[in-house]
Formats: sequence, C-alpha cells, structure tokens
Amino acid sequence: SQQGEEDPQALSIQEGENATMNCSYKTSINNLQWYRQNSGRGLVHLILIRSNEREKHSGRLRVTLDTSKKSSSLLITASRAADTASYFCATAVYNQGGKLIFGQGTELSVKP
Amino acid sequence: NAGVMQNPRHLVRRRGQEARLRCSPMKGHSHVYWYRQLPEEGLKFMVYLQKENIIDESGMPKERFSAEFPKEGPSILRIQQVVRGDSAAYFCASGTGTSGNEQFFGPGTRLTVL
Repeated sequence: SQQGEEDPQALSIQEGENATMNCSYKTSINNLQWYRQNSGRGLVHLILIRSNEREKHSGRLRVTLDTSKKSSSLLITASRAADTASYFCATAVYNQGGKLIFGQGTELSVKP
Repeated sequence: NAGVMQNPRHLVRRRGQEARLRCSPMKGHSHVYWYRQLPEEGLKFMVYLQKENIIDESGMPKERFSAEFPKEGPSILRIQQVVRGDSAAYFCASGTGTSGNEQFFGPGTRLTVL
C-alpha cells in the first residue's frame, strides 16, 4: 500500500451530518496536510498539522494526528452541500525537502 | 500577492508533439514542485526545483520528461514526443523549501493527447 492512504474511498452523507475521513502513512513525517479538490479544479489547502501536534482546528474542520499509529483523521462538522469534493491527505516526509506524498483521496458527497 | 500561476490551463497535443507547461511561483517562493494527477487518482510527485537547480527528480519518468527553473522566468515542465498516457492534470506548487511549511498549488494544466 502507498504512503498516505485515505479511508473511505467514497462517503455520502446528508447536509448537517459530520464527515470523518482517515489517512494512514508509513514513514516519519514533518507534517501532514489536508487538501480539497473540487471536480476538475485545483487543490485548496485546508490545514497543516505538524508531527509534534495532536489536534488542530480550523472553522468546521478538526484534524487529529497519531504518530504512533501513523494515522490522521479529518472531521468536517455540520457539513454543507458545498463541501462536496475530493479530500486528500499529503505527508511531508522527514528530510525530503518538502515534497508531498499524496493519498488516493476520499470523495465526499453531501446531499442537500 | 498573486498565487501560483500556471499556463496554459488546457493544452491539447497530438501524439509525437511536444508539450510545455509553465509555472510561476508565488512571490517570495524560490522552490517549485511539479505533480501529476491521472484520472481518478491522487497527485504523484514528479520533481522539485530551486532556481537553476533540480533538487529531487525521483518522480520523473526517465525519458521524454524534463524540468527547469531558470534564474529568470517561470519553471517549465517539458514533455517531448507525447503519448496518450501522458494525458493528465499537471499541478505546480511553490513553497519556501522547508519541509515544515505548506505548499501552495496552482490551478493546474490539463493536458490531453489525441
């Protein structure tokens, strides 16, 4: 399996519900970042969590990082139809100059 | 402060032609990263450059692909003799080069090879 694997691959929820996406990785990291990509568009940076942090919040987003399990989760609370997109985690591998290793992504669909 | 700029946004080439993709990093960023996204997949790292230097090209195909980031002007990803399998979205990101900081992505160039 590859560095930065997301789970689930696809998630469909109703507006107002919470959405949780998980990401696992294999190597030592400097940080882990979450991005959103709307269909056919570029990537929007959502949040960065450093390897010495355990939890971070930004608006309706909450990210956790467990370096002992090499996993992270992204929680979107009170989801909206506009949150419909693909979500990717990306790891900045330790001592590799900042290049990012992306997972395959979770496709989130929020139904109104 | 303009973000990362890429052009063209869409590029159509016939098999055997050359494709040139350009990326201008954000102001103050001297490091550029190129990624490729095949349909229905995540992004794959290709190459990391600093002005006039290739730092890491471990993700670049060995043939037909090259990248540069000259002292003046944008970074260029060049694909010679394109094949259908090169059809993808190519994203450029810029950053400060330290692995602790976020990268800012451009809108991408969507290459279609006929």
